Amino acid sequence: AQSVTQLDSHVSVSEGTPVLLRCNYSSSYSPSLFWYVQHPNKGLQLLLKYTSAATLVKGINGFEAEFKKSETSFHLTKPSAHMSDAAEYFCVVSDNQGGKLIFGQGTELSVKP
Amino acid sequence: GAVVSQHPSRVICKSGTSVKIECRSLDFQATTMFWYRQFPKQSLMLMATSNEGSKATYEQGVEKDKFLINHASLTLSTLTVTSAHPEDSSFYICSARTNYGYTFGSGTRLTVV
Repeated sequence: AQSVTQLDSHVSVSEGTPVLLRCNYSSSYSPSLFWYVQHPNKGLQLLLKYTSAATLVKGINGFEAEFKKSETSFHLTKPSAHMSDAAEYFCVVSDNQGGKLIFGQGTELSVKP
Repeated sequence: GAVVSQHPSRVICKSGTSVKIECRSLDFQATTMFWYRQFPKQSLMLMATSNEGSKATYEQGVEKDKFLINHASLTLSTLTVTSAHPEDSSFYICSARTNYGYTFGSGTRLTVV
């Protein structure tokens, strides 16, 4: 069975400092992994996805994530936080057989001025 | 491309009434639509998977007679919450699988009073 664990329910950073949102996954086979962002009362926007190509994945708005099979991790990073990055972030793994998405618990990112 | 339009964005209804939520794929054909529910400060929970022209597959614990899903065409899937009660108040989001991954509707905030 596949699962994903986001290690922090809430992360707070100052504007201009780096962002690290941690995610570990469990999968019996090569997974597809995603990071989505959700602003309050909005749908989800795809930041980036990993589908067994390059292990370092670059996404939108300066975000990137590195797939580390040995650590079963897919952490999301950004060099410099912006106030507009404040939102809820979800790490997601895809059930490659049925196409279902399995969501992590979410990490709320706060950005202080 | 690959936009899913979800309506309404917000709805308030009286207890005991039914509410229909629509998701339309605007520029692609959505053979599969996923329906999620999200409670405040929580992650997305998959409710059901609908395939065009066939019965939806519900996740364990989801009442199929209460949450009616119809996917009669390749561009429209609907979720009807029947005899709604205050505990059904939640954020409902649809998602369609595309050639590029998954795209989400903007969500519907349902409040049952």
